[in-house]
Amino acid sequence: QSVLTQPPSASGTPGQRVTISCSGSSSNIGSNTVNWYRQLPGTAPKLLIYSNNQRPSGVPDRFSGSKSGTSASLAISGLQSEDEADYYCAAWDDSLNGVVFGGGTKLTVL
Amino acid sequence: EVQLVQSGAEVKKPGESLKISCKGSGYSFTNYWIGWVRQMPGKGLEWMGIIYPGDSDTRYSPSFQGQVTILVDKSISTAYLQWSSLKASDTAMYYCAASSSPLGWFDPWGQGTLVTVAS
Repeated sequence: QSVLTQPPSASGTPGQRVTISCSGSSSNIGSNTVNWYRQLPGTAPKLLIYSNNQRPSGVPDRFSGSKSGTSASLAISGLQSEDEADYYCAAWDDSLNGVVFGGGTKLTVL
Repeated sequence: EVQLVQSGAEVKKPGESLKISCKGSGYSFTNYWIGWVRQMPGKGLEWMGIIYPGDSDTRYSPSFQGQVTILVDKSISTAYLQWSSLKASDTAMYYCAASSSPLGWFDPWGQGTLVTVAS
């Protein structure tokens, strides 16, 4: 069982907007920033959002992140078929003294 | 280009030892932490630990403390993940990734090293 809770799956049609939630606690999301990673099938994870809502260069503005209290969200607008991937949230946990990941959300584009 | 290149896939027997590597290039290797992340077959990501090449300061996840050793040789810009006695349950993909701090984000990631432990 992962420390951060994500829905195991999400789906949408091309052009739609989808959101993926990430729920934690006061020792992780509540007191530290959240990062999001995308893992395309058969490849290594890649940074998608850092410090709650910052996009690395090269990441389109269709991707956005937000955080409120002990929860965070990743939003993807203008959904495209190439967005099919696993998405993971992560944050430092002050109690465990380490990074904790969500269990991952498999996004399907219908 | 900033990149991390990991060593190739390994097939080992239970009880054997193993050290896999992660070589950094295109940046100042000693100024960024290198973390290790496990992904068991069909499962999610698990943070194992992290090392600072500048002074070898190392932090471990409680789940992996005592199970693996994280090392670095800054003279060749390479970090290592080592096992002294492998178990079948160590079968997984292992990724290294760079971070500006233990609390920070990982970017970039290595391509991964698949470790298979079977008798």
